[in-house]
Amino acid sequence: AQSVAQPEDQVNVAEGNPLTVKCTYSVSGNPYLFWYVQYPNRGLQFLLKYITGDNLVKGSYGFEAEFNKSQTSFHLKKPSALVSDSALYFCAVRPRHSGGYNKLIFGAGTRLAVHP
Amino acid sequence: GAGVSQSPRYKVAKRGQDVALRCDPISGHVSLFWYQQALGQGPEFLTYFQNEAQLDKSGLPSDRFFAERPEGSVSTLKIQRTQQEDSAVYLCASSPPPSSGTYEQYFGPGTRLTVT
Repeated sequence: AQSVAQPEDQVNVAEGNPLTVKCTYSVSGNPYLFWYVQYPNRGLQFLLKYITGDNLVKGSYGFEAEFNKSQTSFHLKKPSALVSDSALYFCAVRPRHSGGYNKLIFGAGTRLAVHP
Repeated sequence: GAGVSQSPRYKVAKRGQDVALRCDPISGHVSLFWYQQALGQGPEFLTYFQNEAQLDKSGLPSDRFFAERPEGSVSTLKIQRTQQEDSAVYLCASSPPPSSGTYEQYFGPGTRLTVT
């Protein structure tokens, strides 16, 4: 079965320190990869995506993610965390051959808490 | 521009009642998705429309769930005879055509359904 794993329910980091939110996937082929962020009482906001090309992709708000094909991982990173980054982060994949549309498979989410 | 909007934002239903949840996608987006997000979980795919055609309803959990998009714009997700296990946030997302090369989906704020 196709699945996305976010092994950490919560990540705690001090403001100004680098952060990493982990994501691994089990999907056949070479899927498209996404990160979304969810603030309280709001919908998911798109952060970044990997489609092809450079394994390091940059997105909104200073976030970046590194695609590792051999480890089937797509970890989210930021060099210097802000308190305002505190939110729920979701990794999602779209199988590359999914009938021509963008059905997404999500992980369970990781809560990021950045402390002053 | 305007994003995806959903109404109502909150809905409380007594067990056995029927509910209807509305989604207004971004203008011009032909693809529309419904997801169900249970508490503490990632969103799970329910159904997909391309214009007015419902191309995939494999994620609908039972025949009590029904979705429509009769004019290829606004969509309604209907749940008949609601049960407590239907309590969740229902998210709507839209995206341009697959041929556009835009792979991400844009999400609405969701409707939080509580069945008592």
